[in-house]
Amino acid sequence: GAGVSQTPSNKVTEKGKYVELRCDPISGHTALYWYRQSLGQGPEFLIYFQGTGAADDSGLPNDRFFAVRPEGSVSTLKIQRTERGDSAMYLCASSLAGGVNEQFFGPGTRLTVL
Amino acid sequence: GQQLNQSPQSMFIQEGEDVSMNCTSSSIFNTWLWYKQDPGEGPVLLIALYKAGELTSNGRLTAQFGITRKDSFLNISASIPSDVGIYFCAGQLTGTASKLTFGTGTRLQVTL
Repeated sequence: GAGVSQTPSNKVTEKGKYVELRCDPISGHTALYWYRQSLGQGPEFLIYFQGTGAADDSGLPNDRFFAVRPEGSVSTLKIQRTERGDSAMYLCASSLAGGVNEQFFGPGTRLTVL
Repeated sequence: GQQLNQSPQSMFIQEGEDVSMNCTSSSIFNTWLWYKQDPGEGPVLLIALYKAGELTSNGRLTAQFGITRKDSFLNISASIPSDVGIYFCAGQLTGTASKLTFGTGTRLQVTL
């Protein structure tokens, strides 16, 4: 079956621009997560959705970052007024439900802010 | 954000050798997971551990959930070239709703 998919695979933008990153979770998975991974480091948690609602957004670094999941399936991570420090790999994961269910990751979107 | 300590940071081994790596935390976890990541790709789940003291195998991989709940170990037996990659541990903190805290990673290189 299909795994987690993310689009685009690469995104290059200029400082100050707005970007949207999309995640399609595994079918039937109610929980969806966003992580950010800088070069040479492990992924860091950004936000977790259970269904349509954000159950935990404690990892979002500031108010330029926002994510939605309006129908409980596809999610979009939105970054306003991008900065060079936002350059990273953005990873999406999904699991059957929240709690201790195993999280499966997509291939990521490599964001580069010039 | 917090990252767990993994060691070694990197290792070069010969094909056929066994590999050991570990992960430590200052916080207690109720779940430990081990992932492998290839360049430019997302992490792939290898093993999940749910109980202190648990020892779980997946082919040539064996992982253990430390009895203190603050550490975990991963062993790879008879390494092969496709074992090359970065291995990450990840834990879920007791009382939090699902987010994973990842380690700093162990880069494994296998020579023929």
